[in-house]
Amino acid sequence: DVKVTQSSRYLVKRTGEKVFLECVQDMDHENMFWYRQDPGLGLRLIYFSYDVKMKEKGDIPEGYSVSREKKERFSLILESASTNQTSMYLCATLSLGAFPTYEQYFGPGTRLTVT
Amino acid sequence: KNEVEQSPQNLTAQEGEFITINCSYSVGISALHWLQQHPGGGIVSLFMLSSGKKKHGRLIATINIQEKHSSLHITASHPRDSAVYICAVRANTGNQFYFGTGTSLTVIP
Repeated sequence: DVKVTQSSRYLVKRTGEKVFLECVQDMDHENMFWYRQDPGLGLRLIYFSYDVKMKEKGDIPEGYSVSREKKERFSLILESASTNQTSMYLCATLSLGAFPTYEQYFGPGTRLTVT
Repeated sequence: KNEVEQSPQNLTAQEGEFITINCSYSVGISALHWLQQHPGGGIVSLFMLSSGKKKHGRLIATINIQEKHSSLHITASHPRDSAVYICAVRANTGNQFYFGTGTSLTVIP
């Protein structure tokens, strides 16, 4: 079974703090994603990475950065947290088996509150 | 713009009812996923479709590629089916996934 873990289920931070959200997967998947999920807006892609040290901006990268130094770990960084970054953050991986066997796997989510 | 539109946004049903959730998309896709998210946040994949129809127990998913439309059906609904159901498509270029905003289903005993 694929396991995608996130460092915290719940996190409360103050405005202006630097926040690190960590995601670790144990299945050697090349592709990893960070999404945020907000009521009425669904899942929106922040960044994704298709290999170590490679990253691509998603739909809403502003205010975020990412780091992928090792294949199994993809970190999301909020350089200076703001209240509008209060959200549920979900990490996912993608296996690249032969079509159509690829599948996206999600972590349990981190509910971040910025006060 | 939303590449994936779901309807309805909210749905309340009596136990035993037949439920349909619809998904329309506007991009070329290589596959469509139906996901289930229970309170607490965990997301599980129910189906991945590239054509036709799939059935798992009381759940049935269909896709019409020409019409860019998919439906998720739940037969003999049960309160444990209460969850948010999310439609997601994988674009046929690159690794991008696009998500619907979800359908919140509540099944009342």
